[in-house]
Amino acid sequence: DTGVSQNPRHKITKRGQNVTFRCDPISEHNRLYWYRQTLGQGPEFLTYFQNEAQLEKSRLLSDRFSAERPKGSFSTLEIQRTEQGDSAMYLCASLRGGIKETQYFGPGTRLLVL
Amino acid sequence: SQKIEQNSEALNIQEGKTATLTCNYTNYSPAYLQWYRQDPGRGPVFLLLIRENEKEKRKERLKVTFDTTLKQSLFHITASQPADSATYLCASQGGYNKLIFGAGTRLAVHP
Repeated sequence: DTGVSQNPRHKITKRGQNVTFRCDPISEHNRLYWYRQTLGQGPEFLTYFQNEAQLEKSRLLSDRFSAERPKGSFSTLEIQRTEQGDSAMYLCASLRGGIKETQYFGPGTRLLVL
Repeated sequence: SQKIEQNSEALNIQEGKTATLTCNYTNYSPAYLQWYRQDPGRGPVFLLLIRENEKEKRKERLKVTFDTTLKQSLFHITASQPADSATYLCASQGGYNKLIFGAGTRLAVHP
């Protein structure tokens, strides 16, 4: 257990539905990252928060995706109007800014869009 | 753009042998590389970080090398055990410390 938690661990939804995932980082970590991982590939960066500010978004993050980190604590990732291509593992990682370069990953949320 | 390449084929070895995994990078010069272990259905777990000015780093049965001339890092597991079976990911760092991963190499250690 790295100290980063994600919920739910698994989500099955029908195409066109909206889904929301939650990430609770290690409490003193002010940097938070979301990644997406498909089968046989490494994780790909989606977005980055420093405290509550979203400072970078990947081109992978279409306008159907939105992420928030209110008050710089937990973060949510929402996917609207899900498509089958959204099926993947969504990983959250946190980092204590300026001190360590090692990211601590949560267990991930596996999404299956039918 | 920055690219990390790992041998996508699975590596099968006998217990007790040394496993060697390769990570190549192109189009940039990372200040350091990181290696992670990922078990099925779980998030990556950090193993080792090596900086560009370090030739070699060790941790227990693990050893990582960094060759800036070849643009390559090698990851070794000595005296491998079936419990070492997992996918091993190489990563470099982009802006804001985001990680850029290779596809990973799946290692299977057979008794």
